[in-house]
Amino acid sequence: GAVVSQHPSRVICKSGTSVKIECRSLDFQATTMFWYRQFPKQSLMLMATSNEGSKATYEQGVEKDKFLINHASLTLSTLTVTSAHPEDSSFYICSARDRGRGSNQPQHFGDGTRLSIL
Amino acid sequence: KQEVTQIPAALSVPEGENLVLNCSFTDSAIYNLQWFRQDPGKGLTSLLLIQSSQREQTSGRLNASLDKSSGRSTLYIAASQPGDSATYLCAVGNDMRFGAGTRLTVKP
Repeated sequence: GAVVSQHPSRVICKSGTSVKIECRSLDFQATTMFWYRQFPKQSLMLMATSNEGSKATYEQGVEKDKFLINHASLTLSTLTVTSAHPEDSSFYICSARDRGRGSNQPQHFGDGTRLSIL
Repeated sequence: KQEVTQIPAALSVPEGENLVLNCSFTDSAIYNLQWFRQDPGKGLTSLLLIQSSQREQTSGRLNASLDKSSGRSTLYIAASQPGDSATYLCAVGNDMRFGAGTRLTVKP
């Protein structure tokens, strides 16, 4: 079945570091990928929609200069948290849909990245 | 903007009970609705996807229904088991707006 691989699964780093998270669709092509953030005991909040070959669409309140998204190919989107601070510590999850199978297909999610900023 | 609400926020039942989780959404113009489970500290496991043209989907002990006109979906779990304990999330539409989830505990 369709698989989305997210890497790394866990990151612990110092404040001020920039962190890159990769999201890959392993056996399908994804024109669009989604990035979510989940704080403890809360639901997933959509941060941005990543569009292959064009700029990402950010949700209200999400700083595009803080959370850089690049979707350079049909199988890879990256999220870079620039100059991360403790308040950026969260669980980040990406998802993708197989573009070759129409719009009414399930979203496939990565296993998430737990980011901890010291 | 699509708003998704899940009720109840938490539910505790004894093993063997049948139960219903609810999901409501404000914008009925959706392509589909998907139910997931999430175990603590883990990612999401897709349970059921209902297309906008469908009224229900079944997988094993799970049955999900969709009433677009009223903006509601339910997830029915039959003969609950301790292994069903998790947070259940519904997500609506192509851009997958999530509800806050229902935290289910099934006691042995």
